[in-house]
Amino acid sequence: DIQMTQSPPVLSASVGDRVTLSCKASQNINKNLDWYQQKHGEAPKLLIYYTNNLQTGIPSRFSGSGSGTDYTLTISSLQPEDVATYYCYQYNSGPLTFGSGTKLEIK
Amino acid sequence: EVQLVESGGGLVKPGSSLKLSCVASGFTFSSYGMHWIRQAPKKGLEWIALIYYDSSNKYYADSVKGRFTISRDNSKNTLYLEMNSLRSEDTAMYYCAKSPVRRVSFDYWGQGVMVTVSS
Repeated sequence: DIQMTQSPPVLSASVGDRVTLSCKASQNINKNLDWYQQKHGEAPKLLIYYTNNLQTGIPSRFSGSGSGTDYTLTISSLQPEDVATYYCYQYNSGPLTFGSGTKLEIK
Repeated sequence: EVQLVESGGGLVKPGSSLKLSCVASGFTFSSYGMHWIRQAPKKGLEWIALIYYDSSNKYYADSVKGRFTISRDNSKNTLYLEMNSLRSEDTAMYYCAKSPVRRVSFDYWGQGVMVTVSS
């Protein structure tokens, strides 16, 4: 199984900061990676698919990058509404696996 | 507007069975793969099952293989998850989710239904 390791587990940043969340796969996942945002009490929402493609309706301050085993989600200017837990997810090979999440807080 | 509405959750005893439903609307249900994903209380997300648009293929996480069955009725726009031999570790919020074409992502999610397994 492919293990997805997210870091840091908790990130505290100020409004307006540039924020970078990391996700490392235990083997090459060929960019077959998504990012999901889950706000408290809500279902997750797709932000980024296939590493760097912004889902329709998602603000352009979100972006993704990476290749091989290392991937990042960047928020260019943190907004209060971005408080959430962010999960990476790989679909390169089964079983489909999520990272353990990064909880993003406002400082 | 795409909508996915789960139902059928509740409190059950270990060893019992439960069947979840997910009614879809706002898209051509019969054209898309569908998934079940769960989240234990205060834990992360766990994919548990996938069914192709035409039910030709089904895949399961090892944690539920042999106990859970995913199915669909395209005439009723409904996805199902039949859960047998339930364990305390199956306690979770269960979400259904839709895949886009040619990608095993989850572009729309239901609001979730809670399943609690406890004596």
